[in-house]
Amino acid sequence: GAVVSQHPSWVICKSGTSVKIECRSLDFQATTMFWYRQFPKQSLMLMATSNEGSKATYEQGVEKDKFLINHASLTLSTLTVTSAHPEDSSFYICSASRDRWTDLEQYFGPGTRLTVT
Amino acid sequence: AQTVTQSQPEMSVQEAETVTLSCTYDTSENNYYLFWYKQPPSRQMILVIRQEAYKQQNATENRFSVNFQKAAKSFSLKISDSQLGDTAMYFCALEYGNKLVFGAGTILRVKS
Repeated sequence: GAVVSQHPSWVICKSGTSVKIECRSLDFQATTMFWYRQFPKQSLMLMATSNEGSKATYEQGVEKDKFLINHASLTLSTLTVTSAHPEDSSFYICSASRDRWTDLEQYFGPGTRLTVT
Repeated sequence: AQTVTQSQPEMSVQEAETVTLSCTYDTSENNYYLFWYKQPPSRQMILVIRQEAYKQQNATENRFSVNFQKAAKSFSLKISDSQLGDTAMYFCALEYGNKLVFGAGTILRVKS
């Protein structure tokens, strides 16, 4: 159990366009979902935390107007990169967690590689 | 602020040998959790082992064990009987307030 999927697994878009990445918990209800960004051979940097039905909480330095996060249900969160630029090219990873009091583990999706040309 | 430091960018080990990956951290919290994650070339994050700070006993999962020194804020990972499939990037992570802070990672290469 505790499987998280991401779609698409890779995407190429043109500079100035927007792209949406989906994160789904397939066999559990995710109270909280997280979005990370990872550059090649570097660590994961937390971008934002979202709870179902609430506005996302963004980490310092992350542009909330550029990286729109929606957590519309207990199984789906989306990250939309608006007006993408080449510097937004990266590997984006989501994770999901259940109720913290029963299971504090974060379950990670397989990631989405975004290339902006 | 919570920080996690992995001072070994890359390590290599012969198949069947034992290797230890280092991790130190800093936190002002008393209750927290520590994790080791593995990220193979597929880039899927895989939980290797976790340790609750309130537990004195070191966690063990098959060939993987940790040496948790709370006073020294040290959390090293020992991999015994290394296998080729252990080749991956390993991240140490500190959990506080439902957030994970990751170290920079250590690339481990297992050689045949």
